[in-house]
Amino acid sequence: SQQGEEDPQALSIQEGENATMNCSYKTSINNLQWYRQNSGRGLVHLILIRSNEREKHSGRLRVTLDTSKKSSSLLITASRAADTASYFCATTQPGSGGSYIPTFGRGTSLIVHP
Amino acid sequence: EAGVTQSPTHLIKTRGQQATLRCSPISGHTSVYWYQQALGLGLQFLLWYDEGEERNRGNFPPRFSGRQFPNYSSELNVNALELEDSALYLCASKSGTLEAFFGQGTRLTVV
Repeated sequence: SQQGEEDPQALSIQEGENATMNCSYKTSINNLQWYRQNSGRGLVHLILIRSNEREKHSGRLRVTLDTSKKSSSLLITASRAADTASYFCATTQPGSGGSYIPTFGRGTSLIVHP
Repeated sequence: EAGVTQSPTHLIKTRGQQATLRCSPISGHTSVYWYQQALGLGLQFLLWYDEGEERNRGNFPPRFSGRQFPNYSSELNVNALELEDSALYLCASKSGTLEAFFGQGTRLTVV
């Protein structure tokens, strides 16, 4: 079963607009990560936020984490056509055995129109 | 520094055959993860290797297997291929609880 679920499934915006994607998860986490995947290729790591952090920035990316609501959001500001891709959140859970396995959601497909 | 490398890039096999996929992790990373991504779907966890041992496996039949070598590279073997095994197979390596780094994947097509 999926640990994280992204919302919306698909998002279509114009270049220059902001894009917001949300991720909800079910169990306690060590950290949460966001990845980008361009057209069926490998995933590129974007940003990692630890369970004791609430917000992180990286360039045009802003990630928030609300552990009380078990949710995270990824904001891409001033979007560009090159941001067109699928975006996934992944979590790792504390505990033994599978504690370090990144568990992925189904992703949000973002299309940025020039 | 080289990233995670996977080979081959594409693989076409006939139903019933066996497929072998390879992955070389980033230098210094001892953990290797395999994921299956069927068309339009998210990543499904397959196998986790660390320090040469299988640590965990996802909800896949036993015909999905693999191993990790002393140099931490890894193989994924899929026996008795079925049409629904057609997917992008992604390998990732990581160190501890930090972010995972992915290869470009192997596109397996079963005909």
